[in-house]
Amino acid sequence: GAGVSQTPSNKVTEKGKYVELRCDPISGHTALYWYRQSLGQGPEFLIYFQGTGAADDSGLPNDRFFAVRPEGSVSTLKIQRTERGDSAMYLCASSPKRGQVLNTGELFFGEGSRLTVL
Amino acid sequence: DQQVKQNSPSLSVQEGRISILNCDYTNSMFDYFLWYKKYPAEGPTFLISISSIKDKNEDGRFTVFLNKSAKHLSLHIVPSQPGDSAVYFCAAGKGSARQLTFGSGTQLTVLP
Repeated sequence: GAGVSQTPSNKVTEKGKYVELRCDPISGHTALYWYRQSLGQGPEFLIYFQGTGAADDSGLPNDRFFAVRPEGSVSTLKIQRTERGDSAMYLCASSPKRGQVLNTGELFFGEGSRLTVL
Repeated sequence: DQQVKQNSPSLSVQEGRISILNCDYTNSMFDYFLWYKKYPAEGPTFLISISSIKDKNEDGRFTVFLNKSAKHLSLHIVPSQPGDSAVYFCAAGKGSARQLTFGSGTQLTVLP
């Protein structure tokens, strides 16, 4: 498809389990972002990839959270030993390299993966 | 520390009238600002942006105003349409940093 694709759209898991969330960005977009949105709040930055490397992971809340983008396209957000407080909508976004076509910082978001930790 | 604030969680407007959504920020290093619209079960979609070197940007029915001295921006929608009913997020970015800081959103309801 033409947009950012995220799977699964919904994930229910039990406390302590391991979870992976996948993001397939828009073709040709070099930058990829993960955000987390809790109920009643705006999206909060988690991590940003430029190509294969994590250029900024300052938003990851703790070492239970990890993300990879091994080939510079698809990314996986991994959460270990999930806690109830991890329940949220996890949003992925992509953008072209700054300076090409768009230079206003616009991000293209997917529909998100809703994670519920019981 | 909320660097981007949207103090009105909700706003109702009659169809055809003007909708004004407000946003305040505290970090003077922000140099560009964006508005996103979000429908239920969808990701946020970009609406309009403004650089800190401007005080106004217009795109059809949507105009964003920036008051740097007051650290305030607003989104005007004229005329409002029922299809504009959605959650609107204000977001800010700075320099070469690629992360955006979002406000908590305002639910706009346009009544027919």
